[in-house]
Amino acid sequence: DIQLTQSPSTLSASAGDRVTITCRASQSISTWLAWYQQKPGKAPKLLIYKASTLESGVPSRFSGSGSGTEFTLTISSLQPDDFATYYCQQYNTYSTFGQGTKVEIK
Amino acid sequence: VQLVESGGGLVKPGGSLRLSCAASGFTFSDYTMNWVRQAPGKGLEWVSSISSSGTYIYYTDSVKGRFTISRDNAKTSLYLQMNSLRAEDTAVYFCVRDTSGNYYPYWGQGTLVTVSS
Repeated sequence: DIQLTQSPSTLSASAGDRVTITCRASQSISTWLAWYQQKPGKAPKLLIYKASTLESGVPSRFSGSGSGTEFTLTISSLQPDDFATYYCQQYNTYSTFGQGTKVEIK
Repeated sequence: VQLVESGGGLVKPGGSLRLSCAASGFTFSDYTMNWVRQAPGKGLEWVSSISSSGTYIYYTDSVKGRFTISRDNAKTSLYLQMNSLRAEDTAVYFCVRDTSGNYYPYWGQGTLVTVSS
């Protein structure tokens, strides 16, 4: 099974900060990686797929990069609405999610 | 796209429950469908997938032999029959529509399953 490890688990930041979350896969997944945002009590929201393609309607401050085993999600300038938990998902072989990264207010 | 889950509730260990997902707003028979769960305060876990025609079915290891995914394309509905339930199956279960790329742009609101005596 392909494992995904996100870092950090928790990130404290202020509005306006540039934020980067890393997702590492236990084996190569090419660019078959997606990122989601989840707020408490809500379903996850797709942000990025195929490692770097922005889902329609998602603000351009979100970007993704990487291939193989190392991937990043970057928020260029953190907005109040962005405080949430972020998950990566691989879909190279079945589906696996990372354990999540909570972005909290500093 | 609308996905509405139902059937969650409180069940004793060893018991059974059947979840349903009513789909609308798209051609249901064109898409792979999935169940993804989230234990309280925990992360997301893919549970099962079923291809558009129902030919191909996959499960995560922890539910193999206990859970059965199925679909009725005429009724545009997805199901998850859960047997021999355990405390660790306690979670919100989301009905999720696939894309051609197997990532998940559409999610239901979730239904809570609690396994407790």
